[in-house]
Amino acid sequence: DQQVKQNSPSLSVQEGRISILNCDYTNSMFDYFLWYKKYPAEGPTFLISISSIKDKNEDGRFTVFLNKSAKHLSLHIVPSQPGDSAVYFCAASGGSNYKLTFGKGTLLTVNP
Amino acid sequence: ETGVTQSPTHLIKTRGQQVTLRCSSQSGHNTVSWYQQALGQGPQFIFQYYREEENGRGNFPPRFSGLQFPNYSSELNVNALELDDSALYLCASSPNIGQINTGELFFGEGSRLTVL
Repeated sequence: DQQVKQNSPSLSVQEGRISILNCDYTNSMFDYFLWYKKYPAEGPTFLISISSIKDKNEDGRFTVFLNKSAKHLSLHIVPSQPGDSAVYFCAASGGSNYKLTFGKGTLLTVNP
Repeated sequence: ETGVTQSPTHLIKTRGQQVTLRCSSQSGHNTVSWYQQALGQGPQFIFQYYREEENGRGNFPPRFSGLQFPNYSSELNVNALELDDSALYLCASSPNIGQINTGELFFGEGSRLTVL
């Protein structure tokens, strides 16, 4: 039972354009959502988070949007840069449970 | 560089053997979590330790066990290894358990285990 789903295994965009990565979840108890980035041979690194009381959070080139009614969130990267090429994981956690439930990841490739 | 170090980085075991993976948390961090990442999958929560006590466990059998030491370093032990245990094992530490939800969870590079 996959509670966090990233349905696009890969995404390719041109440098300077917008990258949009999507994530769906099924568990209504989730109240925090996070995005992690992972380069090969490295551990995941935190990118940006959003709590369920918000619908948008922005940090520089990265913006996360949350649509609770649709149980959907997305990560926007503008403008995309070749260094953004990595696997992006969506993760969620709920209540006093401090475990993260991850999606399978989306491989983003930003072409120069 | 997250300050979380794991050892060994790679290892090969045979089915039925036992393995111990080690993790040195970032200084000052009192919470450590272990995740398993199988090929093509996202990290999956194994268990978490907060101030040396287990504080949550994922859907893993009892042959997966762990420890957190007074200096907050940690071990993951897996007994009776199975082929499906082949995966990247990630350790992550946090300065305080309540900060995990806001991204204060720092991962090591992982230990890649291959079971033959």
